[in-house]
Amino acid sequence: KQEVTQIPAALSVPEGENLVLNCSFTDSAIYNLQWFRQDPGKGLTSLLLIQSSQREQTSGRLNASLDKSSGRSTLYIAASQPGDSATYLCAVATGNQFYFGTGTSLTVIP
Amino acid sequence: ETGVTQTPRHLVMGMTNKKSLKCEQHLGHNAMYWYKQSAKKPLELMFVYSLEERVENNSVPSRFSPECPNSSHLFLHLHTLQPEDSALYLCASSQDVIGLLAKNIQYFGAGTRLSVL
Repeated sequence: KQEVTQIPAALSVPEGENLVLNCSFTDSAIYNLQWFRQDPGKGLTSLLLIQSSQREQTSGRLNASLDKSSGRSTLYIAASQPGDSATYLCAVATGNQFYFGTGTSLTVIP
Repeated sequence: ETGVTQTPRHLVMGMTNKKSLKCEQHLGHNAMYWYKQSAKKPLELMFVYSLEERVENNSVPSRFSPECPNSSHLFLHLHTLQPEDSALYLCASSQDVIGLLAKNIQYFGAGTRLSVL
């Protein structure tokens, strides 16, 4: 069974810092990996989707990388802003299942 | 607004009640999903529908009964729930699905916060 781990569970940084969120998975036979953002009391917003054949995806200040062989993905956020404060989840598509991590709660301090 | 609407946003029910959660999308997507999000746990995929047919029932207890009358609407009928069923129930849709795998990005609704007393 695929296991997805996100470290750290919580992160607090001052505004303007660049930061990296980590996602690791145990089964490298994945179809895709997706990063989501979840604001309190709200659903998930998709940020980036990386297909298994890709190494990275970029959207604005966000860059996600994928290393299937090592079972890792990182989400890089450049020049963080208070509006980036949220919980960030990664999800891995393996076999016929989606597996989610428990998320990293990010707080960006003005 | 993601284009996926869930109602109600909050629901409190007793263990003997029957209620339904509703999900609606007008994105032209062919696949719809129900997820359960419990505190301190990863999201759990419950059901997947592709073109109104159930693709997968992920070992979900029978007290949860999904219904997909058309590609834009998805329901989750609830009856004789347990307190441990209290959670945030999220609906999502995507353009296509291969088995359980979304071929494209999933769009989520805001969820229904369910409390079972």
